[in-house]
Amino acid sequence: DQQVKQNSPSLSVQEGRISILNCDYTNSMFDYFLWYKKYPAEGPTFLISISSIKDKNEDGRFTVFLNKSAKHLSLHIVPSQPGDSAVYFCAAANNNDMRFGAGTRLTVKP
Amino acid sequence: KAGVTQTPRYLIKTRGQQVTLSCSPISGHRSVSWYQQTPGQGLQFLFEYFSETQRNKGNFPGRFSGRQFSNSRSEMNVSTLELGDSALYLCASATTNSQTSWDNEQFFGPGTRLTVL
Repeated sequence: DQQVKQNSPSLSVQEGRISILNCDYTNSMFDYFLWYKKYPAEGPTFLISISSIKDKNEDGRFTVFLNKSAKHLSLHIVPSQPGDSAVYFCAAANNNDMRFGAGTRLTVKP
Repeated sequence: KAGVTQTPRYLIKTRGQQVTLSCSPISGHRSVSWYQQTPGQGLQFLFEYFSETQRNKGNFPGRFSGRQFSNSRSEMNVSTLELGDSALYLCASATTNSQTSWDNEQFFGPGTRLTVL
């Protein structure tokens, strides 16, 4: 059962523009949401998180938006840089479990 | 500060065997989580240990088990290996002391790539 979905397997943006990565979840019991970045042959790297009591969290170029009614979260990267090219995973968690999306491969073109 | 280390980095086993993977967290981190990554299923949470106790558990069969030692090092064991267990197994450590496992940043190790023949 895919409780967390990233419907776009890939995304390509121009350097300097905004990258928007989307994630949908089905289980309303999730109360914590995270984004990870993964380069080939490396473990995931934590990027940013948000708890269900908030609808926005910002950290530098990265902002995560949470829409609980739509069960949707998104990661905005502004401005996008070539070094941001990687696979991005969203994850949804509660006290007992964590589920990941399949990932979106972001390519930022110079 | 040294990062999360996992041993071995690569492992080849045959069906029916059992395997033990090791994870050494960052010094001072008491939470260790294990994940499985496969091309078909993506990244999946296995379980989390905190202070030598399994605190959270994902949706995996009982063939997957783990433990944590007093120095926070953790081992994961898979018994009766199946072909589908071939995957990259990642562990991550965190400093969290709260009941919520996810409110502190997790640091991932490089993973152990297990191949089951």
